[in-house]
Amino acid sequence: NAGVMQNPRHLVRRRGQEARLRCSPMKGHSHVYWYRQLPEEGLKFMVYLQKENIIDESGMPKERFSAEFPKEGPSILRIQQVVRGDSAAYFCASSPPDRATNEKLFFGSGTQLSVL
Amino acid sequence: GNSVTQMEGPVTLSEEAFLTINCTYTATGYPSLFWYVQYPGEGLQLLLKATKADDKGSNKGFEATYRKETTSFHLEKGSVQVSDSAVYFCALSSNTGNQFYFGTGTSLTVIP
Repeated sequence: NAGVMQNPRHLVRRRGQEARLRCSPMKGHSHVYWYRQLPEEGLKFMVYLQKENIIDESGMPKERFSAEFPKEGPSILRIQQVVRGDSAAYFCASSPPDRATNEKLFFGSGTQLSVL
Repeated sequence: GNSVTQMEGPVTLSEEAFLTINCTYTATGYPSLFWYVQYPGEGLQLLLKATKADDKGSNKGFEATYRKETTSFHLEKGSVQVSDSAVYFCALSSNTGNQFYFGTGTSLTVIP
């Protein structure tokens, strides 16, 4: 049973380009969380999605960032017109739809985005 | 609202030293509390958890007790090893909104 798969592991973009980060949740999981990790700032929540629906995007910047989790295929975090400040590690986590409060999230290995 | 405040690092210890990483929380409702560990170049892995007041979570020699009176969940280990070098995150899972909240992480380096 494969874990949460994120790709690519490393992504290099020039300022102004678009970055697309992909996350395939564990089998049977229909809920996906995206987090951003910056040095000295820890892990910041960005968005929480279930298939075809955004549940909570309160941590997502209002401009240039978007996320989706279609009925088929992986969840995508999309960053348009990237800037140097977007350089960070982006982690995806997944959970089953009926996750209880006392149950953990399962994390992927992350995508390291570097903006030149 | 819900939040987690974690002891700032980095922390450097000699092998076999005693470890404490402080974590306090603010929460509405009845949260569950977690410690996650992140080894270099990897994602977060669950280390231990506690789901109600006075519960003690333990794993790999690490322990943490859910203290509702002090709203704390401090991580402890009696004798650290070099292989414990990692970043440790305290987290809470709220029973409202199905959301997870993380602390800023504490980097631990254990030297031989």
